[in-house]
Amino acid sequence: QKEVEQNSGPLSVPEGAIASLNCTYSDRGSQSFFWYRQYSGKSPELIMFIYSNGDKEDGRFTAQLNKASQYVSLLIRDSQPSDSATYLCAAWPYNTDKLIFGTGTRLQVFP
Amino acid sequence: DTAVSQTPKYLVTQMGNDKSIKCEQNLGHDTMYWYKQDSKKFLKIMFSYNNKELIINETVPNRFSPKSPDKAHLNLHINSLELGDSAVYFCASSQDSPSYYGYTFGSGTRLTVV
Repeated sequence: QKEVEQNSGPLSVPEGAIASLNCTYSDRGSQSFFWYRQYSGKSPELIMFIYSNGDKEDGRFTAQLNKASQYVSLLIRDSQPSDSATYLCAAWPYNTDKLIFGTGTRLQVFP
Repeated sequence: DTAVSQTPKYLVTQMGNDKSIKCEQNLGHDTMYWYKQDSKKFLKIMFSYNNKELIINETVPNRFSPKSPDKAHLNLHINSLELGDSAVYFCASSQDSPSYYGYTFGSGTRLTVV
């Protein structure tokens, strides 16, 4: 059973802090990884994807991938209250036609 | 312009009824999906079509029947609705495999069975 696991949270951070969201996956054949943000009552929105080991930065967001440890993370710098949402991690297992999602981590950024 | 649009956005219906949800994408993508999101936010794949051909059919009761009249449209028909079918149903699309670009999701249909 291919799985993606996340801590459900909530993760509470003060405004301006760094929020660190983590995800592990069970299928070593997974090739690429995605972070989606989902506001309450809305659809998931893709914010980052990564497929090489190391860091990938986009604005205030940094995705980190460690394939040896089967670990993906998302760092949000200078967190804002508007970042409060559920963050879904997804993996693409090689040679499949679907993404496998984790259950999401709820992030709360307080002023 | 909405990239992936679903209708209706909300659906409240009684047990035993039959209902349909429609999805359309204008991204030119080849593959479309139906996902079910439960109350704990878990997204589980139900079906996938690539250019009108069914390629993923997960363990879903046969009361659920997808139909893809063309690669831009994917509909979901549900017969004999049950209380446990209450969830948010998302349509999504991708350019062929989701390997490096992931999905674009529709706005979702919140189905409530009473």
